[in-house]
Amino acid sequence: DSGVTQTPKHLITATGQRVTLRCSPRSGDLSVYWYQQSLDQGLQFLIQYYNGEERAKGNILERFSAQQFPDLHSELNLSSLELGDSALYFCASVEGGTGELFFGEGSRLTVL
Amino acid sequence: DAKTTQPPSMDCAEGRAANLPCNHSTISGNEYVYWYRQIHSQGPQYIIHGLKNNETNEMASLIITEDRKSSTLILPHATLRDTAVYYCIVRGADGLTFGKGTHLIIQP
Repeated sequence: DSGVTQTPKHLITATGQRVTLRCSPRSGDLSVYWYQQSLDQGLQFLIQYYNGEERAKGNILERFSAQQFPDLHSELNLSSLELGDSALYFCASVEGGTGELFFGEGSRLTVL
Repeated sequence: DAKTTQPPSMDCAEGRAANLPCNHSTISGNEYVYWYRQIHSQGPQYIIHGLKNNETNEMASLIITEDRKSSTLILPHATLRDTAVYYCIVRGADGLTFGKGTHLIIQP
């Protein structure tokens, strides 16, 4: 158990819909990363937050947005969903001293 | 972040040492080399990281060349449970970009 919690674990929805994925980092970790992993693909970095502020942006679509709240949990919002958005979405928090990433078990999104 | 190059797949016999190479020729002086692995579709798991010196922990050893342009992850006695995708990442100030990694298959 990494200490990072992601919900929901599985989500099935239809094209055009909007979903929210939630991540609770390890206690004490200020930084949260979001990644997307499509079938048989590597992990694509989407966005990073540090203590509530956006720190870095990767290949995140305009239909996607994220935020980190004062209690440090983070949400990834995916809107106008397309079939190609079906993927595993991982959240990770960072151990401040070593820079080690701790990943959650992911949220599997299926868009039908 | 500097880009890394890894072979897409490798086989290793159970009980033998698995040596996974990674090229990172554009690495900068302050960028660390991290290794993670992902078993099936679970969340990636940290293995080891280093800057210049070779590193060893209970899971693996990391050998970084003197010019830092490449590194090798060594699993000293591979078991079937080490079958996974192994990612070599060079980390700068922001972000942490994963490539497609090496699919290591441990053969019985």
